[in-house]
Amino acid sequence: AQTVTQSQPEMSVQEAETVTLSCTYDTSENNYYLFWYKQPPSRQMILVIRQEAYKQQNATENRFSVNFQKAAKSFSLKISDSQLGDTAMYFCAFMKPLNSGNTPLVFGKGTRLSVIA
Amino acid sequence: DTGVSQDPRHKITKRGQNVTFRCDPISEHNRLYWYRQTLGQGPEFLTYFQNEAQLEKSRLLSDRFSAERPKGSFSTLEIQRTEQGDSAMYLCASSPGLQETQYFGPGTRLLVL
Repeated sequence: AQTVTQSQPEMSVQEAETVTLSCTYDTSENNYYLFWYKQPPSRQMILVIRQEAYKQQNATENRFSVNFQKAAKSFSLKISDSQLGDTAMYFCAFMKPLNSGNTPLVFGKGTRLSVIA
Repeated sequence: DTGVSQDPRHKITKRGQNVTFRCDPISEHNRLYWYRQTLGQGPEFLTYFQNEAQLEKSRLLSDRFSAERPKGSFSTLEIQRTEQGDSAMYLCASSPGLQETQYFGPGTRLLVL
């Protein structure tokens, strides 16, 4: 079974600074997908960024980028130029590819990020 | 695109009562997922549908839980004889058939007294 570990329950960062959230996972699959989701307080979960394991290039979305280390099974999220609106719970998630059958997401426990003015 | 919607957003019930939640996925998304999220935890998978077929059920889904997606569009999740341990946020997500990204609804927060 796949597991996802987020070792930082809480983090804080000053506005405009950069912060990195850690995520490790365990799987025997070679092809899979990794995601970071953001869940603001009392609001719905939204996708931040996704990475396909077969792609060597790290995904980027504006101020958000990942450091994907497949051999180390590590998938960290870097937020540059942090903004107050980035305050949220961040969940790392793993999913097997479609051709392996069921495709639910397996989530970590989350990291609560606070951006301080 | 109106996104995934869920109804109700909040539900308070007494132990032993039955509750039903509804999820409307993004139009033409043929995969629909239910997750449960308790305080301080990440969402945990409950079940999922491809069109009207329920393809997978988690061991978390006890006999008191049942889910349907009768016409391959909206889905309902029913909990019978609720227990205090059922208190949680119930999340619905949908995805297009050939893509893997799941889009989440706002959730239904259940409190069992």
